[in-house]
Formats: sequence, structure tokens, C-alpha cells
Amino acid sequence: QTVVTQEPSLTVSPGGTVTLTCASSTGAVTSGYYPNWFQQKPGQPPRALIYSTSNKHSWTPARFSGSLLGGKAALTLSGVQPEDEAEYYCLLYYGGVWVFGGGTKLTVL
Amino acid sequence: QVTLRESGPALVKPTQTLTLTCTFSGFSLSTSGMCVSWIRQPPGKALEWLARIDWDNDKYYSTSLKTRLTISKDTSKNQVVLTMTNMDPVDTATFYCARTTVTTSKVAFDIWGQGTMVTVSS
Repeated sequence: QTVVTQEPSLTVSPGGTVTLTCASSTGAVTSGYYPNWFQQKPGQPPRALIYSTSNKHSWTPARFSGSLLGGKAALTLSGVQPEDEAEYYCLLYYGGVWVFGGGTKLTVL
Repeated sequence: QVTLRESGPALVKPTQTLTLTCTFSGFSLSTSGMCVSWIRQPPGKALEWLARIDWDNDKYYSTSLKTRLTISKDTSKNQVVLTMTNMDPVDTATFYCARTTVTTSKVAFDIWGQGTMVTVSS
């Protein structure tokens, strides 16, 4: 069974920079996994942030960026704002099947 | 403006079949590259991708749940239906549908519905 692993929790100071990662149990994540990233706040549906590794949606704030880093998909927040406190999920493609990571709870403190 | 809305029963009994409908607007499922996916989230837990149906009627299912899931579309009604058989209390979750757009090099789950909560209990 394929497992996608994210950091369970991270803490960042306002104005700081933080990188969330997304690893695959099958090996290195490449662009062919079409990594997608989502933000979810309590009581709300997920909101799409990044698709296919590094592409932003029209509503994605500029401080969010996606990349591949050390064999993982990565989401970097630069100049973190208090409203960025949320759960973040990655999603990877496995030949017709998609698998979510377990999520990273980002605390802004 | 693209919108999606999930609908279905709030409560189902164990062993029953769940039928959920995703009604969407602002795009057509007959347009090349357009797809709709279903995702669920148990209370306090992570998201889980369930199924996807494409503009050309290709269908994809979660490996662990594929024997229980069926996805279908009614293009004329702008609806996608998901059925899940043999429901169990562990299937209690909020179910979301999301538009998925596919090109030769990009895939985006861009617009999500608000979700519908389904409780499985006798």
C-alpha cells in the first residue's frame, strides 16, 4: 500500500519562512506525480494552492510556492502570515490513483 | 463561476448503500480535460481520495475501496453520482466533490464543494 508522508506538525513565527514536504513510500517524488497542495482551516473545505509541482492558482498568494526538494514535493511559505495557520495536505498521482498525505498542522506563533 | 455542491443522506445504516450526488455549474463534463473527483474526510482525520470520472467517461477508483465504489455522470444534468456499498460506521465522514482539470502536463484539483457530512449508525 502506497503511503504519502508529511510532517505532522510545524511551527513558524510570523514573517518567517517554512517548508513543508511530501514524501512517497515508492521512492523519489518527480513531476510525474503531479503534486497538488491544499490548505484547510477548521470547518472549511480544502482550498487548492499549488498544482503539478509548482503552478499557482489565480487566488494563491505569492508567498506560497511549490517545488521538488531532495526527492520530495515541497511547499514553501515565505513571509508567513497569522492567517496561514491551517492544515496542509499534499496529493500525489500513482497511475490513475491519487493518494493524500496525512497532513501537516502549521502553527504560526 | 465554477461551483460544486454535494447532496445526499446525512445518516445511513450499516450495510446500506450510500448514494451521493455532486451538482456542478460553470463547466461541462463533456469538455476535454474536465473531470470530477470525490474525496472524503473522517472527523478529525486526513483527506482520502475516492474516485474520479473524466469527460470521456474513464473512471478511476481508490485501490482500497474500488470494490465498493461506483462513479457515474449525467452530463445533461451536470451531475456526478458516487455510490458506496456496505457502509460501516468507520465510513462516517464529510464527502467532497472537486473539479479536476487535466492537460498533457498538468493536473489540478481546483474547485471544491462545501462537503456533505454522512454518519453511519444504526
